[in-house]
Amino acid sequence: QVQLQESGPGLVRPSETLSLTCTVSGGSVSSGSYYWTWIRQPPGKGLEWIGYIYYSGTTNYNPSLKSRVTISLDTSKNRFSLGLTSVTAADTAVYYCARISSVWFEVGYWGQGTLVAVSS
Amino acid sequence: SSELTQDPAVSVALGQTVRITCQGDSLRTYYASWYQQKPGQAPILVMYGKNNRPLGIPDRFSGSSSRNTASLTITGAQAEDEADFYCSSRDSNDVVFGGGTKLTVL
Repeated sequence: QVQLQESGPGLVRPSETLSLTCTVSGGSVSSGSYYWTWIRQPPGKGLEWIGYIYYSGTTNYNPSLKSRVTISLDTSKNRFSLGLTSVTAADTAVYYCARISSVWFEVGYWGQGTLVAVSS
Repeated sequence: SSELTQDPAVSVALGQTVRITCQGDSLRTYYASWYQQKPGQAPILVMYGKNNRPLGIPDRFSGSSSRNTASLTITGAQAEDEADFYCSSRDSNDVVFGGGTKLTVL
């Protein structure tokens, strides 16, 4: 059973960089069958896809966030990370890491989510 | 990227059938996947592909698709089905989510 666990600061100051890590267990981030993704959900609102990374290191980002987002992979530690620069209050959200199947592009496994607040 | 449109809220009487729909141009090319989210919890996958249910999802959940519209049908809705439902699909190399539908079971 694949499990994903987000970790990182719960509070980030405006204009700084949000950094989160997702540790994967029960599966390998080196598998060519999946994309490793970040999704967020502002309080009381819907889901927003942020971006994903493939085992090869290929990335793809939501066009609306592309200029501020970086997703990286650490195969030695079986984890992947999110960086979001120049954050504002609008970036306050629950951030989920998850796994997308390369066949149907469904998000089959989700982390429990971590709330990141942007505030001074 | 394209958008997916869902009705904000739908209600169903206990034991009756309800259909939740999702519209968007990406659905002409790709199948939708559907997620159920209860308050304070992460979403869970309930339907994907042509009409695939993950293990553990009751068979009262089914999916269908026609042209630019995907549907999730719950046949015999139960009280525990009350939740927010989101559709999603691939859009070229991107991923897009619908705005979500709040399902109330009366």
